[in-house]
Amino acid sequence: GDSVTQMEGPVTLSEEAFLTINCTYTATGYPSLFWYVQYPGEGLQLLLKATKADDKGSNKGFEATYRKETTSFHLEKGSVQVSDSAVYFCAPHTGNQFYFGTGTSLTVIP
Amino acid sequence: DTGVSQDPRHKITKRGQNVTFRCDPISEHNRLYWYRQTLGQGPEFLTYFQNEAQLEKSRLLSDRFSAERPKGSFSTLEIQRTEQGDSAMYLCASSQEGSRGETQYFGPGTRLLVL
Repeated sequence: GDSVTQMEGPVTLSEEAFLTINCTYTATGYPSLFWYVQYPGEGLQLLLKATKADDKGSNKGFEATYRKETTSFHLEKGSVQVSDSAVYFCAPHTGNQFYFGTGTSLTVIP
Repeated sequence: DTGVSQDPRHKITKRGQNVTFRCDPISEHNRLYWYRQTLGQGPEFLTYFQNEAQLEKSRLLSDRFSAERPKGSFSTLEIQRTEQGDSAMYLCASSQEGSRGETQYFGPGTRLLVL
């Protein structure tokens, strides 16, 4: 069946460091790919998405590229800020199948 | 747009009791989803509705769980004969059916503790 594997955390980085959170998925169909974020004390919200191969989603300095050949959707940011401290969830969605990764907790220290 | 709301935000109950949660989606959204999230895990899909029709149910949704969306607006999730293993955050989300990649908008969740 469908599944998603997400880099385990927690991840602690210094401000302005480079961030990568790996995400790979298996899907029987052709999923749309999402990254959702949960800031402390808040609900889940969309960070970015991509709906077809080679699409790049981007938002708030974060980027992820839909790699169909490697079934991956890694999240990257060139320079993290303290305000990026949150839990990040990779989520492939196909038809009636809605999966979320286990989440990666990121803490950015000044 | 007032966002997705859920009620109650917290519920403590004793094992064996029944509980019911309510979700009010964003008004123009025709899809509504229920998820369960335990500590340190991502949301696990339970079920979803398109208008009033329940289109998919996860095997996680045992016979003790039932969800309704009678008029295609708000939804309720009922858990009968609660067990300690039901303790979790129950999340509701809504979306508008459209082209690929529709975004789900999440509510704040209902945290359930079964004693």
